[in-house]
Amino acid sequence: AQTVTQSQPEMSVQEAETVTLSCTYDTSENNYYLFWYKQPPSRQMILVIRQEAYKQQNATENRFSVNFQKAAKSFSLKISDSQLGDTAMYFCAFSMSGGNTPLVFGKGTRLSVIA
Amino acid sequence: GAVVSQHPSRVICKSGTSVKIECRSLDFQATTMFWYRQFPKQSLMLMATSNEGSKATYEQGVEKDKFLINHASLTLSTLTVTSAHPEDSSFYICSARAAVYNSPLHFGNGTRLTVT
Repeated sequence: AQTVTQSQPEMSVQEAETVTLSCTYDTSENNYYLFWYKQPPSRQMILVIRQEAYKQQNATENRFSVNFQKAAKSFSLKISDSQLGDTAMYFCAFSMSGGNTPLVFGKGTRLSVIA
Repeated sequence: GAVVSQHPSRVICKSGTSVKIECRSLDFQATTMFWYRQFPKQSLMLMATSNEGSKATYEQGVEKDKFLINHASLTLSTLTVTSAHPEDSSFYICSARAAVYNSPLHFGNGTRLTVT
């Protein structure tokens, strides 16, 4: 079974600074997807960024980028120029390839952006 | 973008009653829907996989007779919590994936269930 580990229960960062959230996972699969989701107090799950395992290039979405290290099974999220609206729970998630596969989530990291 | 509508957003019910939660894909057909449960300050735990036209697949430890799932159409899955008890109080979130290759998973806004 696949597992996702987020070792940082809570983190804080000053507004406009950069922060990196860690995630490791365990799988014997070769083709899979990795995700970072943001869950603000509203509890809506918002997709931040997605990485396909067969792509070596790290995914980037505006201020959000990942450092995907397939051999190390590591998938960290870097948030640049942190904004107050980035305050939320962040979940790392894994999904096998294929249409009928759910997401497996890590325990989450609570990020607080401080003014 | 794709939208998943979940209703109700909040529900309070008395112990022993049943509650139905609906999950609709508004602008795409979803052959597969997933139901998650989230306790306060915890992660999302998969409860079951709902497949249109067939029986749901439940995760280990989830009582299928207590959490009834029906996926009767390509746009609607329902979760019924039967004979609810206070320990069933939680946040339930559905998600759906379109019947298109490599389609991402879209989430509903969740339902906060409180059993008194």
